[in-house]
Amino acid sequence: RKEVEQDPGPFNVPEGATVAFNCTYSNSASQSFFWYRQDCRKEPKLLMSVYSSGNEDGRFTAQLNRASQYISLLIRDSKLSDSATYLCVVNKSGGSYIPTFGRGTSLIVHP
Amino acid sequence: DTGVSQDPRHKITKRGQNVTFRCDPISEHNRLYWYRQTLGQGPEFLTYFQNEAQLEKSRLLSDRFSAERPKGSFSTLEIQRTEQGDSAMYLCASRVEGVDYNEQFFGPGTRLTVL
Repeated sequence: RKEVEQDPGPFNVPEGATVAFNCTYSNSASQSFFWYRQDCRKEPKLLMSVYSSGNEDGRFTAQLNRASQYISLLIRDSKLSDSATYLCVVNKSGGSYIPTFGRGTSLIVHP
Repeated sequence: DTGVSQDPRHKITKRGQNVTFRCDPISEHNRLYWYRQTLGQGPEFLTYFQNEAQLEKSRLLSDRFSAERPKGSFSTLEIQRTEQGDSAMYLCASRVEGVDYNEQFFGPGTRLTVL
C-alpha cells in the first residue's frame, strides 16, 4: 500500500460545481498535512495547509480525519482557473520533515 | 526574483553521459530538498540538506546519484552514467526549518531527457 493515495481522476466538472477530493495516508504518526496545486508543466505550489480543526480559504475547505487517516479538499463554485492537479502531501513528525506526495488528482473545469 | 531557481531548465543527454543540475534556494532557507517527478505521479523525495549537511537520502537514490550543498547555499545534483529511466523532472525545494507547517517553495524544475 502506498503511503499516500489519491484518486488520479480526472474529475471533469462544469463551472460553478462543487467538487471534493479525498486522500488517504498509511502512517498514523503523520503530523502535518497539505494540499498543493500543480499546473501543467509547472512546479507545485502550496494551496493550503490542513489543520486538525479543519480550515477554509475562500471557496476551498480542507478537513483532516485522523481516526480514518484521510484528508479532504472541497472546492465550491468551481472556476475554469481551478483546472489543475491537486497534490496531497503528508509529513511525518520527528524533525526530519520529509513530505510524501500523493500522485495527484486531476481537475478539469469546463464552461 | 527571490524565489527558488534551477539551472538548466531542460537537459537532453545520451545514455551513459553524466549530468549536473544546480538549485539556488531562497536565501534564508536552511533546508533544501531534491525530488524527481515523472508523468502522472507526484514528486518523489530523493534527498535533503539542512545547511550543508545531507541528512537523508531516499532508497530510490542509486549510487549513480550524488548531491552536494558545499556552503549551505546552492546545491548540485549529479547523475552519472545516465539511463533512460532517469528521464524525469527534477525539482528542488527549500523551506525554513522549525515549524512543521512552514511552506516548502519549489523551483521550476530541470526536465531531463535521456536518449
